[in-house]
Amino acid sequence: GNSVTQMEGPVTLSEEAFLTINCTYTATGYPSLFWYVQYPGEGLQLLLKATKADDKGSNKGFEATYRKETTSFHLEKGSVQVSDSAVYFCALRGAAGNKLTFGGGTRVLVKP
Amino acid sequence: ETGVTQTPRHLVMGMTNKKSLKCEQHLGHNAMYWYKQSAKKPLELMFVYNFKEQTENNSVPSRFSPECPNSSHLFLHLHTLQPEDSALYLCASSQGLAGNEQFFGPGTRLTVL
Repeated sequence: GNSVTQMEGPVTLSEEAFLTINCTYTATGYPSLFWYVQYPGEGLQLLLKATKADDKGSNKGFEATYRKETTSFHLEKGSVQVSDSAVYFCALRGAAGNKLTFGGGTRVLVKP
Repeated sequence: ETGVTQTPRHLVMGMTNKKSLKCEQHLGHNAMYWYKQSAKKPLELMFVYNFKEQTENNSVPSRFSPECPNSSHLFLHLHTLQPEDSALYLCASSQGLAGNEQFFGPGTRLTVL
């Protein structure tokens, strides 16, 4: 079956630091890949997505590239802000249907 | 109201209580979902409804009973829960099942005593 593995948190860093959250997946066929963000007290919001190999998703300064050769979709941001403190979830959707498979989430804490 | 709303936001119940969680989407979608988010575990899909019909039950215990009276409303009826059912229950909706983005509500934080 499909699965998503992402680095466990918490990740604590200072404002303006570089952020990377690793995500790797196992899936048959050609899944679509997603990063969701969950701010404190809120539901999940789609941050970015990529639907085919070598696609780069980007939003709010975050980027992730769909790497089929390494089955990875690592999330990066060059300069984080305190407002980026949240839990980040990597997810995939299989080639058929709309079922999302999520990773365990990575909590990020950005300190001023 | 916009997006996906859930009520109540917080719920504390005893193991013998019966309660219901409500989800409403204002996006004109026709598919709705219940997810369970437990501490230190990946988000788990529980149920999927499309045009009011249940299309997926992810081996959820019968003490959780979903109801979808129309495409805009989704309920989760709770009965004789266990402490391990304490979690954040998230509702989501999408325009159909064919790979469209799911929009999530803020969740109901449930504590079972």
